[in-house]
Amino acid sequence: AQTVTQSQPEMSVQEAETVTLSCTYDTSESDYYLFWYKQPPSRQMILVIRQEAYKQQNATENRFSVNFQKAAKSFSLKISDSQLGDAAMYFCAYGSSNTGKLIFGQGTTLQVKP
Amino acid sequence: IAGITQAPTSQILAAGRRMTLRCTQDMRHNAMYWYRQDLGLGLRLIHYSNTAGTTGKGEVPDGYSVSRANTDDFPLTLASAVPSQTSVYFCASSENRATGELFFGEGSRLTVL
Repeated sequence: AQTVTQSQPEMSVQEAETVTLSCTYDTSESDYYLFWYKQPPSRQMILVIRQEAYKQQNATENRFSVNFQKAAKSFSLKISDSQLGDAAMYFCAYGSSNTGKLIFGQGTTLQVKP
Repeated sequence: IAGITQAPTSQILAAGRRMTLRCTQDMRHNAMYWYRQDLGLGLRLIHYSNTAGTTGKGEVPDGYSVSRANTDDFPLTLASAVPSQTSVYFCASSENRATGELFFGEGSRLTVL
């Protein structure tokens, strides 16, 4: 069975600085997708970034980028120029193309200090 | 466009009672999911459905059942609620199985006493 692990329950970053959130996953599948979602206090889940496993190039969305290491099964999220609005819980997720299951990690709460 | 609608928003339930959480989407998405969110445990997949007429078990399916009679609706039933099922429940959908963006409902807070 696939698993997703986020080993950092909480992180903090100074406004305008860069922070990296860690995520590792375990799978024997070759075709899958990886995601980072943001959940602000409003509880609404927001997609931050998406990565197809067959693509070697790391996905980037404005200030958000990932470091996808397929062999190491690692999928970290880098937030550059952190803003107060980035404060939220961040979830890493794994989507199986084979079964259709989409599972999440435990989440990392990010605090942004002014 | 409403997206995903969940009902009820909040419910207090006596242990042993049967409860159905409703979920309806108007995006004609093929895949739908039910998650529960608990502090420190993240979102855990309860059941999912890749298309109408099919369902699958997630990470924590025990005590829950689902059905997918049509594309739009994906109800989650607790046959006999227990206090450990106290949680916030999220319904979500995606256009295709596990490959695209998930769209979430606003969640249903369930308390089992």
